[in-house]
Amino acid sequence: QKEVEQDPGPLSVPEGAIVSLNCTYSNSAFQYFMWYRQYSRKGPELLMYTYSSGNKEDGRFTAQVDKSSKYISLFIRDSQPSDSATYLCAIGGGADGLTFGKGTHLIIQP
Amino acid sequence: GAVVSQHPSWVICKSGTSVKIECRSLDFQATTMFWYRQFPKQSLMLMATSNEGSKATYEQGVEKDKFLINHASLTLSTLTVTSAHPEDSSFYICSARAGTGVGEQYFGPGTRLTVT
Repeated sequence: QKEVEQDPGPLSVPEGAIVSLNCTYSNSAFQYFMWYRQYSRKGPELLMYTYSSGNKEDGRFTAQVDKSSKYISLFIRDSQPSDSATYLCAIGGGADGLTFGKGTHLIIQP
Repeated sequence: GAVVSQHPSWVICKSGTSVKIECRSLDFQATTMFWYRQFPKQSLMLMATSNEGSKATYEQGVEKDKFLINHASLTLSTLTVTSAHPEDSSFYICSARAGTGVGEQYFGPGTRLTVT
């Protein structure tokens, strides 16, 4: 079993829809949970990060962590065509480098 | 804030030659920098962790003699791919952790290496 599982998609939704992106992980020692957005041939851009369980909201984006299920989610409200990108979940134990999911390719249709 | 740059953004080299990639944190000091590699449609894979003034720590399966990492200052880390082969062609991305806090890492724009 891979440490971080993420459906690569593509996920195609109409503009204005709520998008749900998810990852599962296997190592319960992970404490830091991040979501990055990556455009083609660019470096990842940090969107949000949370420590331990719970929710975090930033504008149209909401990140959720359920440590009991080892499940993390990113919700995008009122999705825009400019949100089209690859979304990577990343998980870390603190001082170490991150373990990434494969990324979900998201397409928002105008 | 928290800007990380990489140079060059892309490079083509011949098999057997060496290539150096620079990673700089522009507006913060980074005691720790990380190097990742990403193949097409694949996830970022951590190659090594670089701490300023000390030897890099390499992930299992990464050849330390092939991928030389130097972290000479709090704002600069370099990755040198020695004796490059076509299978080393990939997207190399560095990241830096701001300050002494754990958690967020900020990534550079990446360097696309093509070995012919």
